[in-house]
Amino acid sequence: GDSVTQMEGPVTLSEEAFLTINCTYTATGYPSLFWYVQYPGEGLQLLLKATKADDKGSNKGFEATYRKETTSFHLEKGSVQVSDSAVYFCALTDSNYQLIWGAGTKLIIKP
Amino acid sequence: DGGITQSPKYLFRKEGQNVTLSCEQNLNHDAMYWYRQDPGQGLRLIYYSQIVNDFQKGDIAEGYSVSREKKESFPLTVTSAQKNPTAFYLCASSISRGSNEQFFGPGTRLTVL
Repeated sequence: GDSVTQMEGPVTLSEEAFLTINCTYTATGYPSLFWYVQYPGEGLQLLLKATKADDKGSNKGFEATYRKETTSFHLEKGSVQVSDSAVYFCALTDSNYQLIWGAGTKLIIKP
Repeated sequence: DGGITQSPKYLFRKEGQNVTLSCEQNLNHDAMYWYRQDPGQGLRLIYYSQIVNDFQKGDIAEGYSVSREKKESFPLTVTSAQKNPTAFYLCASSISRGSNEQFFGPGTRLTVL
């Protein structure tokens, strides 16, 4: 079945560092891809999405590009802030419109 | 403000007891979902509903039950048949089942004593 694999955390960075969180997927067909963020003690919020190959999703300085050839959707940010500390989930929608989730990557930003 | 509310935020249950988690949305969304989140794991789908008076089992429905009597409400009951119920439970909704975006509530943390 479809699946999503994320890099294991926690990822610890200093403020203003460059961020990459890797996400790869296996899927039949052409899924939509998502990054959700979960701040401590809260529910999830959609961060960005891409619905077809080569699309770039972006929001709040975060970006991710749908790469069909490498089945990847890596999350990047040029300069992280302490407020970016959260858990980040990569996900895809399968052919039944069900969201398939990665395990999540905890990001810790130190001042 | 439109959104999804879940209550209570924290819930404690003795073994053998059923408990019901509340989920209400005022987004006028047709589809609603219940997920379970365990440490170090992604979300797992328990049940979903595409429309009032209809719901479908997700990947881990055993030991859980739901109802959808009103469009805005989708309560989840964790029964005594659920062997390991301690987890964080998240409710979500979307405009429709095929919608690309799900909106999440703040979650309920259930602990079995």
